[in-house]
Amino acid sequence: GAGVSQSPSNKVTEKGKDVELRCDPISGHTALYWYRQSLGQGLEFLIYFQGNSAPDKSGLPSDRFSAERTGGSVSTLTIQRTQQEDSAVYLCASSPAAAVNEKLFFGSGTQLSVL
Amino acid sequence: SQQGEEDPQALSIQEGENATMNCSYKTSINNLQWYRQNSGRGLVHLILIRSNEREKHSGRLRVTLDTSKKSSSLLITASRAADTASYFCATKQTSGSRLTFGEGTQLTVNP
Repeated sequence: GAGVSQSPSNKVTEKGKDVELRCDPISGHTALYWYRQSLGQGLEFLIYFQGNSAPDKSGLPSDRFSAERTGGSVSTLTIQRTQQEDSAVYLCASSPAAAVNEKLFFGSGTQLSVL
Repeated sequence: SQQGEEDPQALSIQEGENATMNCSYKTSINNLQWYRQNSGRGLVHLILIRSNEREKHSGRLRVTLDTSKKSSSLLITASRAADTASYFCATKQTSGSRLTFGEGTQLTVNP
């Protein structure tokens, strides 16, 4: 596709349910990042993929959060047993490589609301 | 803790005026980037400055980097109402591959 695509754009769920957020990066981009942004705040790093492997997953806030990437393309971020504090915009970004001076291309994000 | 911290947190100016936003960081970096975000959704890359560069221009944007003070500034000249957005600095540290973002500056340009 022309840009990074995220789905769904909005997700409302009940506390305790599991959710899956999807990111489809720009074709050919090998690096993929997940960030979380609470209302009015900066971006919090969650996890970074190079190809299918995740060299840096240190930003995942708890073991309820996991992510995978298959075929070096689509990534899924899964949150189990959601809590109200998980409510935020989840942003995905990709770049052509993990080279030092690469810029990130962002999707429009998934707004997650946990009731 | 956040690597980058922007100030001011919010800035309101009149159309045609210049807007200056500052960013400070803590550790050694390979580069510093500025991004713009409209309406709390996807970010758009504006400009990248490498650690061995001191100043860079792109259209109405001017970025400076002072590695001795670990700080950067973004100047938007002749601002327009369409420049209203949140602006974030992000640093690529010398160790690791993540890009670390600051808290952002909310810029409002009044027509």
